[in-house]
Amino acid sequence: ETGVTQSPTHLIKTRGQQVTLRCSSQSGHNTVSWYQQALGQGPQFIFQYYREEENGRGNFPPRFSGLQFPNYSSELNVNALELDDSALYLCASSLVVVTGTGNTGELFFGEGSRLTVL
Amino acid sequence: GESVGLHLPTLSVQEGDNSIINCAYSNSASDYFIWYKQESGKGPQFIIDIRSNMDKRQGQRVTVLLNKTVKHLSLQIAATQPGDSAVYFCAERGVYNFNKFYFGSGTKLNVKP
Repeated sequence: ETGVTQSPTHLIKTRGQQVTLRCSSQSGHNTVSWYQQALGQGPQFIFQYYREEENGRGNFPPRFSGLQFPNYSSELNVNALELDDSALYLCASSLVVVTGTGNTGELFFGEGSRLTVL
Repeated sequence: GESVGLHLPTLSVQEGDNSIINCAYSNSASDYFIWYKQESGKGPQFIIDIRSNMDKRQGQRVTVLLNKTVKHLSLQIAATQPGDSAVYFCAERGVYNFNKFYFGSGTKLNVKP
């Protein structure tokens, strides 16, 4: 167990709706990253939150947005859902320590939220 | 941007044999790599990592080899067990964005009893 919890575990939405996914990070971690994993594919980076601010973003449109709270938990919001948004959404927490060689920090993943868009 | 690819989508091995899973990466400046294991219905689980200033790192029953000349990673699992059956991903940390990891599409390891 990684100590990272996500909710809900499964949900079904229809095209055009909005969804909010939640993540509680591992105790002591200060950073949350969100990944989208389509069936049969590797996870794709959506964005990362560090100290309540977005700190890096992948190739996802603005309708994917997020929040990080003072307790380091996080939300992923997706507006105007499309069929291709159907995927497993993974949250990963880490303790980022900025060093001279860049950020370090192993990612600890939750079990994911399986979103189906009909 | 960086891309990570795998040579074999599926690998079947006999219980007790050694397994080797390969991964190619595209950015020669990449300096940090992680191997993850993902069991069905679960999130990826950290196995082992390696930095670019090393060419080999060993863990418990696992060894990661890094060949920077040909931009290739491999994960070796000794004495493969049924519990090792899963999808294995290599992940490369972004060079231009240290916060981002690039994952390959994965190799499914089937361990036959």
